[in-house]
Amino acid sequence: DTAVSQTPKYLVTQMGNDKSIKCEQNLGHDTMYWYKQDSKKFLKIMFSYNNKELIINETVPNRFSPKSPDKAHLNLHINSLELGDSAVYFCASSPTTRVSGYTFGSGTRLTVV
Amino acid sequence: GESVGLHLPTLSVQEGDNSIINCAYSNSASDYFIWYKQESGKGPQFIIDIRSNMDKRQGQRVTVLLNKTVKHLSLQIAATQPGDSAVYFCAEFGGSNYKLTFGKGTLLTVNP
Repeated sequence: DTAVSQTPKYLVTQMGNDKSIKCEQNLGHDTMYWYKQDSKKFLKIMFSYNNKELIINETVPNRFSPKSPDKAHLNLHINSLELGDSAVYFCASSPTTRVSGYTFGSGTRLTVV
Repeated sequence: GESVGLHLPTLSVQEGDNSIINCAYSNSASDYFIWYKQESGKGPQFIIDIRSNMDKRQGQRVTVLLNKTVKHLSLQIAATQPGDSAVYFCAEFGGSNYKLTFGKGTLLTVNP
């Protein structure tokens, strides 16, 4: 009955590889997000989708491409991984009516070696 | 786990004491201000929010104070418990794109 679930939880990969992180929410929310948390715990938004349409793209390199096949899913694909991409990536979702409904997944720790 | 040299602001309190965590924000146009709690290995968890036209809001054991004059937000936790140990973030929310802008976190450690 997990509200926002993302897979995998841990991902270790070599530089130059392409990888994907998947996210699904069962809350019926209209909007989904990807946030990045760096080694200093700073959290910053990357993308936001509302009803499968991109509404926020925060100066993220083109190597990062979100895809939303439907309202309940928002996946993140990363091409040509770099060492600096190592971070924890959080998926989140929110209703359009309540800020208190903003819900985060448990994160995917990506390590690029 | 935690990274070496994290350099987060830290607050260490004794169990049963009250805790106050502070935050400075930048955007006067934000509609809401929110506090999140993040435990190790988990995502941020909503604690309490306050609308920009209010200056105080209380929840269960928590109170948020908003001072718009100096752009300052605080979270007060009453009778702090070991389970309150976590990193606490303030965040601003506003506009039609539902974006959260997070502040720097504060690591709260509760000593039994």
